Amino acid sequence: AQSVTQLGSHVSVSEGALVLLRCNYSSSVPPYLFWYVQYPNQGLQLLLKYTSAATLVKGINGFEAEFKKSETSFHLTKPSAHMRDAAEYFCAVRFSGNTGKLIFGQGTTLQVKP
Amino acid sequence: GAVVSQHPSRVICKSGTSVKIECRSLDFQATTMFWYRQFPKKSLMLMATSNEGSKATYEQGVEKDKFLINHASLTLSTLTVTSAHPEDSSFYICSASPEQSRTDTQYFGPGTRLTVL
Repeated sequence: AQSVTQLGSHVSVSEGALVLLRCNYSSSVPPYLFWYVQYPNQGLQLLLKYTSAATLVKGINGFEAEFKKSETSFHLTKPSAHMRDAAEYFCAVRFSGNTGKLIFGQGTTLQVKP
Repeated sequence: GAVVSQHPSRVICKSGTSVKIECRSLDFQATTMFWYRQFPKKSLMLMATSNEGSKATYEQGVEKDKFLINHASLTLSTLTVTSAHPEDSSFYICSASPEQSRTDTQYFGPGTRLTVL
């Protein structure tokens, strides 16, 4: 079955530390992959997306993600966390054949400590 | 560019009444719009997909008579929660996609917080 999994519902890092948020998908065909960020009581903002071009994707706010087919992963990273990065992060997938339909992971809450 | 708005941002209503939520694409034409529901501390659950000028496609388990979706124009979709009950209280988010053939990018609205008393 097609699915997307975010490992770790809550991640806490210190300001300036590396951020790593994990996302794995289950599919025989590489899907389109997205990372969204949600601030409290707001909608979702697109951070970056992978659509079968370069495997290393750079997004906004210093985030990037690498598509690894062998590991069926699309982990999100940022070299140095900032307090303003504290938010909810969602990995989403659009599988082949599902026109426009996004399937979201469970979400990861990123806490940034001073 | 690619801004999606929702109105109202929050609404409180009495049990049994109906509530309409609007989703607008402000600077592009949206051939497809999506409606999601998000429970506290939970992920987004797709409720339905609406295409301009045709009936919405509802996800399994979503009552189409309960959640009426209309996508009458390329810039507006509405979600009406009919005969609302406290269990319908949630955060409703819409998204819009500007391309009919490659809907790989969805732009999300800011969400509507519905509280049913």
